[in-house]
Amino acid sequence: DIQMTQSPSSLSASVGDRVTITCRPSQTISNYLNWYQQKPGKAPQVLIYGASSLQSGVPSRFSGSGSGTDFTLTISSLQPEDFATYYCQQTYSIPWTFGQGTKVEIK
Amino acid sequence: QVQLQESGPGLVKPSETLSLTCTVSGGSVSSGHYYWSWIRQPPGKGLEWIGYIHYSGTTTYIPSLKSRLTISLDTSKNQFSLKLSSVTAADTAVYYCARASVSGSYHLAYWGQGTLVTVSS
Repeated sequence: DIQMTQSPSSLSASVGDRVTITCRPSQTISNYLNWYQQKPGKAPQVLIYGASSLQSGVPSRFSGSGSGTDFTLTISSLQPEDFATYYCQQTYSIPWTFGQGTKVEIK
Repeated sequence: QVQLQESGPGLVKPSETLSLTCTVSGGSVSSGHYYWSWIRQPPGKGLEWIGYIHYSGTTTYIPSLKSRLTISLDTSKNQFSLKLSSVTAADTAVYYCARASVSGSYHLAYWGQGTLVTVSS
């Protein structure tokens, strides 16, 4: 199985901050990397797919980059509604696997 | 707009079979363009993809559950289902159904709201 390692596991940030979350798979996955946002008690929602494509309806302050074994999710200017947990997911090989999550909290 | 809704018992006894159904609206499970998926999340923990089924009948499961898991499709009711046998407390989780495209990056674009299943006597 491909292990997905996110860093940091949690972070505290203020509204307006630029936030970066990293995801590193245990082997190369080309660009088969998706990012999800999950708020408490809710289902995850996809933000970014294919490493860098913005899902329809997702604000442009979210962006993704990377390929192979190094990926990044960036929130250019953190908004109050962005405080949530973020997960990366690889769909390069079965079983599809998720990172452990990064919890973004209010500073 | 595609919507998915999980249903099934919220409490299952150890060693019994967990059965859940996902009802799809605004789209058809008969479409060959999608993988109909199940994902679970133990309380306070991360996400675990369990498996998927395609309209063709092809199923793919996470190896750790393969011996206990069955995912099936009911096109007449526009539903797909999950059965997990011989459950233990470790199977306690919120179970989500979701849809992934068969092309591109297979991202899970549509999710149900999730249903909590507790395994306890």
